Amino acid sequence: EIMLTQSPATLSLSPGEGATLSCRASQSVASYLAWYQQKPGQAPRLLIYDASNRATDIPARFSGSGSGTDFTLTISSLEPEDFAVYYCQQRNNWPLTFGGGTKVEIK
Amino acid sequence: EVQLVESGGGLAQPGGSLRLSCTASGFAFASYAMNWVRQAPGKGLEWVSTISGSVGGTYYADSVKGRFTISRDNSKNTLYLQMNNLRAEDTAVYSCAKARSPSIPYFDSWGQGALVTVSS
Repeated sequence: EIMLTQSPATLSLSPGEGATLSCRASQSVASYLAWYQQKPGQAPRLLIYDASNRATDIPARFSGSGSGTDFTLTISSLEPEDFAVYYCQQRNNWPLTFGGGTKVEIK
Repeated sequence: EVQLVESGGGLAQPGGSLRLSCTASGFAFASYAMNWVRQAPGKGLEWVSTISGSVGGTYYADSVKGRFTISRDNSKNTLYLQMNNLRAEDTAVYSCAKARSPSIPYFDSWGQGALVTVSS
């Protein structure tokens, strides 16, 4: 099973600041990694797939990069609605796995 | 608009069974892999199971293999999860999720989930 480790666990930032979230895989997942955003009481929303492709209707301030074992989700300038929990997920191998999440909170 | 609506959640005793259903609309259901993902209270996301489209190949997390069975009825646009021999650690909100493309398991649409509580 491929383990995904997300860091930091919590990121405290102010609106307008940039955010950098990390996801590290225990073995290579090539570029087969996605990022999701989840707000309290809501279903997750797909942001990025295949490491760097924005999903439908996702604003350009969200970008993804990386390949192999190290991946990054960057939010260029935080909007109030971006404060949420973010998860990475790999599809390179069964079983599919998620990271433990990074909470982006308002400082 | 894609809609996914789960039903069948509730309280079960340890060792008991429940069957979840997910009714889909707004897309060509038979063409897409479908998935179950769960989230224990206050915890992160855990993938549970995937079933491919018309061929029906199935995949399971180790934590549920041998106890849970995923299936689908394409004539009814409905996904199922039969859960047997339930354990306390199966307590979670179970959501069905549509794959982003027919055979690639990223999840681009989700239901609101069904709460399953396993307790005596």
